[in-house]
Amino acid sequence: GQQLNQSPQSMFIQEGEDVSMNCTSSSIFNTWLWYKQEPGEGPVLLIALYKAGELTSNGRLTAQFGITRKDSFLNISASIPSDVGIYFCAGQKGGTSYGKLTFGQGTILTVHP
Amino acid sequence: DGGITQSPKYLFRKEGQNVTLSCEQNLNHDAMYWYRQDPGQGLRLIYYSQIVNDFQKGDIAEGYSVSREKKESFPLTVTSAQKNPTAFYLCASSIGGTASALHFGNGTRLTVT
Repeated sequence: GQQLNQSPQSMFIQEGEDVSMNCTSSSIFNTWLWYKQEPGEGPVLLIALYKAGELTSNGRLTAQFGITRKDSFLNISASIPSDVGIYFCAGQKGGTSYGKLTFGQGTILTVHP
Repeated sequence: DGGITQSPKYLFRKEGQNVTLSCEQNLNHDAMYWYRQDPGQGLRLIYYSQIVNDFQKGDIAEGYSVSREKKESFPLTVTSAQKNPTAFYLCASSIGGTASALHFGNGTRLTVT
């Protein structure tokens, strides 16, 4: 099955720095989602995007649904130690793919105090 | 509190044995899913069910089986036919398959030796 190309694979940053990660695909998605996973737990939804060009914020997090419907990015501003975790993008095609998500490989974020 | 409960958290089995992972939800969600997570990879869909007594194969269904006899429960059996069963297994549910409502459990880590 197809997977999304997510980059970077890992990031090591200092507290207070901004973070940017993105996800690309060779095919179109109707919904883009960003999840965060902490060690030993399941992913938690951060932001959901439903329209091409949509820009949505959730606190220090901002995500955009690419105009081509084939990409999305997530920014985290002024990072803090509790931002540590694995960030996943996920896309849904809709139609007969009802409810099914395709995930990126994840970006491992480490924040040094 | 509503949520998804996966049990046990850690499971150890000998090669050649079938093993069943439990997933229970009290969110009154119609759809349930099983994903597999391996290090450095995104989540891959094993099986999903949109309604009781119905389920479909995901991208990597070989060597797995499921049942959906009750709305609240979606157990996954890892059979001896699964060539590489050691992984982190995540169960999820959603309202009527809407991707934005995908809630994950905290996972079961299966180790087969």
